[in-house]
Amino acid sequence: EAQLLESGGGLGQPGGSLRLSCAASGFTFSSYDMNWVRQAPGGGLEWVSAVSGSGFKTYYADSVKGRFTISRDNSNHTVHLQMNSLRAEDTAVYYCAKDIGTYGDSTMDVWGQGTTVTVSS
Amino acid sequence: DIQMTQSPSSLSASVRDRVTISCRASQTIATYLNWYQQKPGKAPKLLISAASSLQGGVPSRFSGSGSGTEFTLTISSLQPEDFATYYCQESYSTSPTFGQGTKVEIK
Repeated sequence: EAQLLESGGGLGQPGGSLRLSCAASGFTFSSYDMNWVRQAPGGGLEWVSAVSGSGFKTYYADSVKGRFTISRDNSNHTVHLQMNSLRAEDTAVYYCAKDIGTYGDSTMDVWGQGTTVTVSS
Repeated sequence: DIQMTQSPSSLSASVRDRVTISCRASQTIATYLNWYQQKPGKAPKLLISAASSLQGGVPSRFSGSGSGTEFTLTISSLQPEDFATYYCQESYSTSPTFGQGTKVEIK
């Protein structure tokens, strides 16, 4: 059974940094694009970033472009989200999610339980 | 970016009611449209992909239809476990977007 487990959330300072991680198991990790999706308190879902199976292609929402960096380590079955220049509006639950197929169309069939990021001084 | 607009934003319904949720895309997306269900404090769950393909284990009372810019999620007979928030999502672009959600509440 495919599973994802996020970690690294917590309290971050405005202008500061946090690094989220997502550990994957139960599927051929390197074959699938991986995504980060966030949900602000009481809000809807917002796609944040994606990385191709090889790690060579990355994609970002305009709201985080230039501040966040997605990466993956296929040998350790993990995906990371480096979050720099944090803003209050980055406060959210961050979910890691797997693409359903190997063709990278951002249909997400497996989700982690989420990790909470709070940006506040 | 493609904008996804759901209607209604919320609805109240009774068990065994037929429920329909609409999703409109700001440009044509063929059938690159997914539906997710989210319950409070839980991660979203993929219900339907490619506008009408029911995911394994999802009850057959859920169905999806549409193409181009207009899409519909239908629950043929609402069950107690279906009270949740539903999101559409386009997977046409490299920056996928979600609708704002439709909260289905108990009448």
